[in-house]
Amino acid sequence: GIQVEQSPPDLILQEGANSTLRCNFSDSVNNLQWFHQNPWGQLINLFYIPSGTKQNGRLSATTVATERYSLLYISSSQTTDSGVYFCAVDSPGGSYIPTFGRGTSLIVHP
Amino acid sequence: SAVISQKPSRDICQRGTSLTIQCQVDSQVTMMFWYRQQPGQSLTLIATANQGSEATYESGFVIDKFPISRPNLTFSTLTVSNMSPEDSSIYLCSVSSTYGELFFGEGSRLTVL
Repeated sequence: GIQVEQSPPDLILQEGANSTLRCNFSDSVNNLQWFHQNPWGQLINLFYIPSGTKQNGRLSATTVATERYSLLYISSSQTTDSGVYFCAVDSPGGSYIPTFGRGTSLIVHP
Repeated sequence: SAVISQKPSRDICQRGTSLTIQCQVDSQVTMMFWYRQQPGQSLTLIATANQGSEATYESGFVIDKFPISRPNLTFSTLTVSNMSPEDSSIYLCSVSSTYGELFFGEGSRLTVL
């Protein structure tokens, strides 16, 4: 099946800093999503982005499907950005069931 | 986007007992999934809940341990049977839109003593 690698695995920031999270995948994809899991365990949809660039406030994401990676940018980070960020993809040859990366754990200090 | 309600949101259970988690969606959906997230880990797909037929289980998960029902297109249950401390996890219900976007319920945090 498709392999999904996220980096870095852990990230510690001071409030106000910017960061870039990366998701590499081993095959072409139908769908790619970024999620934020808050400290209470809830998964929040950030972006549905199989290709191109999207922005939502301080967050933006870019997927370069031909090169098999996606980037999530967090600008002016806030303590509420803390949590785990997951990338999930599914491939045309699969069964449209997403495969999740291991996530990037982000801690933002005040 | 779909609104997904799960209950219970959390529970503490004794070893050897069973717990049923309910998932209710505010609209009819074709694809519904159950995931498990063990402490500090990523999400692992348990099974696809199929309406009107047996669920499709992923490798490592079996119906006797995780029976799933899906009587209609808006509701599903997952039972964790004969629990052990290793079953302590967050269990998440998820649905997929027609173009493949996933939405999750709030999750059910299960602790087994």
